[in-house]
Amino acid sequence: EAGVVQSPRYKIIEKKQPVAFWCNPISGHNTLYWYLQNLGQGPELLIRYENEEAVDDSQLPKDRFSAERLKGVDSTLKIQPAELGDSAVYLCASSLGTGSNEQFFGPGTRLTVL
Amino acid sequence: RKEVEQDPGPFNVPEGATVAFNCTYSNSASQSFFWYRQDCRKEPKLLMSVYSSGNEDGRFTAQLNRASQYISLLIRDSKLSDSATYLCVVTSSGTYKYIFGTGTRLKVLA
Repeated sequence: EAGVVQSPRYKIIEKKQPVAFWCNPISGHNTLYWYLQNLGQGPELLIRYENEEAVDDSQLPKDRFSAERLKGVDSTLKIQPAELGDSAVYLCASSLGTGSNEQFFGPGTRLTVL
Repeated sequence: RKEVEQDPGPFNVPEGATVAFNCTYSNSASQSFFWYRQDCRKEPKLLMSVYSSGNEDGRFTAQLNRASQYISLLIRDSKLSDSATYLCVVTSSGTYKYIFGTGTRLKVLA
């Protein structure tokens, strides 16, 4: 069974440029999460989707970050414009549902903003 | 105070040693607890859930102490392949939200 797929795996951009990350969750998983992980820290939730609905985006910096999951499957996270402090790993995860269901993580996109 | 706290380590232990990590949480309403393992430059993967009665999986034992609000992970007979960062995860009652600790880094030395 395929796991969570993310692309690109690495991205280097200059500050003020836009960037987008793509995630394909495990088939049948209705819940999708985007996390940000800084070096030496645990992942921090940015946004959670239940099917196509963003049910928690309270931690998403909405001035520059946006996300969508139009058909309730794949999702895209965008940053525009990127800042130096956005350099981090962006992890996508999925689960069958919410609550205590195990979350499965993708390999992440490592973003470097120069 | 952070919601979930872990000693970042690193814990350097020889092969065959027993090592234990603790993770404290601040919200007494926390409901579910997990240990995830994260290898360098890889994604976190579930190691084990932590149940009120404690649970064991081979060389790994997880325990929950609600009174003192901490969970623990014990690794017996450490292997080189156990070298990784161990992330503590706590969720609150009625929510989905995973709160991660910073992780504890383990190095098992030959």
